[in-house]
Amino acid sequence: AQTVTQSQPEMSVQEAETVTLSCTYDTSESDYYLFWYKQPPSRQMILVIRQEAYKQQNATENRFSVNFQKAAKSFSLKISDSQLGDAAMYFCAYRSAIRTEKLTFGTGTRLTIIP
Amino acid sequence: DGGITQSPKYLFRKEGQNVTLSCEQNLNHDAMYWYRQDPGQGLRLIYYSQIVNDFQKGDIAEGYSVSREKKESFPLTVTSAQKNPTAFYLCASSIVTTDTQYFGPGTRLTVL
Repeated sequence: AQTVTQSQPEMSVQEAETVTLSCTYDTSESDYYLFWYKQPPSRQMILVIRQEAYKQQNATENRFSVNFQKAAKSFSLKISDSQLGDAAMYFCAYRSAIRTEKLTFGTGTRLTIIP
Repeated sequence: DGGITQSPKYLFRKEGQNVTLSCEQNLNHDAMYWYRQDPGQGLRLIYYSQIVNDFQKGDIAEGYSVSREKKESFPLTVTSAQKNPTAFYLCASSIVTTDTQYFGPGTRLTVL
């Protein structure tokens, strides 16, 4: 079974600075998808970024980018120019290309932005 | 506006009662999902549906039931058989299961 590990329960960053959240996963599959979701205090899960495993290029969405290391099974999220609205729980998630209905989530990292 | 709605936002239940959580989407998505979130944990899949009148158990289906009579609706019933139902419940949908899942705002269920 696939597992997703987020080893940083909490992180903090100064406003306008850059922060990196870590995620590692375990799988025997070669084709899969990885996601970062954000859960603000409202608790609605919001998609931040998505990465296809077959793509070597790291995904980028405005201030959010990932460092995808397939061999190391690592998928970190970098947030540049941190803003107060970035404060939230961030969840890393894995989805198999075979069992496509299931998202496997990590336990989350709580990000605090310091003004 | 297109999106996923869940109601109620907060729900209180007495032990031994069944309760139904509503999930509606107007995104024309075929696939819908129910997840449970407990403190300090990620989300866990309860049930999912790929098409109307069809649904499948997820990892923690015991004590829950669902129906999918309409494309836009996927209600979840938490039965009295669910031993520890207090949790945050999130509904999601996607065009098909191979597509990205989008989430509703959630329902907080508390058993008194």
